[in-house]
Amino acid sequence: TQLLEQSPQFLSIQEGENLTVYCNSSSVFSSLQWYRQEPGEGPVLLVTVVTGGEVKKLKRLTFQFGDARKDSSLHITAAQPGDTGLYLCAGPLLGGAQKLVFGQGTRLTINP
Amino acid sequence: NAGVTQTPKFQVLKTGQSMTLQCAQDMNHEYMSWYRQDPGMGLRLIHYSVGAGITDQGEVPNGYNVSRSTTEDFPLRLLSAAPSQTSVYFCASSHNTEAFFGQGTRLTVV
Repeated sequence: TQLLEQSPQFLSIQEGENLTVYCNSSSVFSSLQWYRQEPGEGPVLLVTVVTGGEVKKLKRLTFQFGDARKDSSLHITAAQPGDTGLYLCAGPLLGGAQKLVFGQGTRLTINP
Repeated sequence: NAGVTQTPKFQVLKTGQSMTLQCAQDMNHEYMSWYRQDPGMGLRLIHYSVGAGITDQGEVPNGYNVSRSTTEDFPLRLLSAAPSQTSVYFCASSHNTEAFFGQGTRLTVV
């Protein structure tokens, strides 16, 4: 059983469309992170959300932390082929120092 | 600034062989960890270290050993490789829960 459940697991859309990826848990997290991973590379941190209800923006990417700190979403506006990759959410385990637990990932493909 | 460096990038082992995956970081981070990544399962924590001389088990530690003699280095040892250990392995160093990953080692055990 995954502590962090991501949906969808696969998403293929056309350039210019909008999309939302979800990361859900039944547990409360002190923070949640989003990483992006390209083929043959390690994950790279995009953002950390810390406060319930927090919204952060990175250009066309909008990240939100749920009010109850159990879920997060990533919204991409006007997706571009360069957004293609594996998106992973992650959060530190309570009492686990810096131990991170990861969702299973969302593989996003943006078609030109 | 190299960040986190993993070697080798690719490796094929026969069942029962042993090997060490190397990981080095130059960011002076105390916390380091090893993950394996399998399709559809995200990253799962194998072992971690909160500083030199201190290591502990993660979610999937069986079949793997680690040591941390210096802040910079955190090698992962497979003592007797099994096909179930075929995976992509990532080393990470962390600061305030934000993890910096190496490029990974793709290991195939035949």
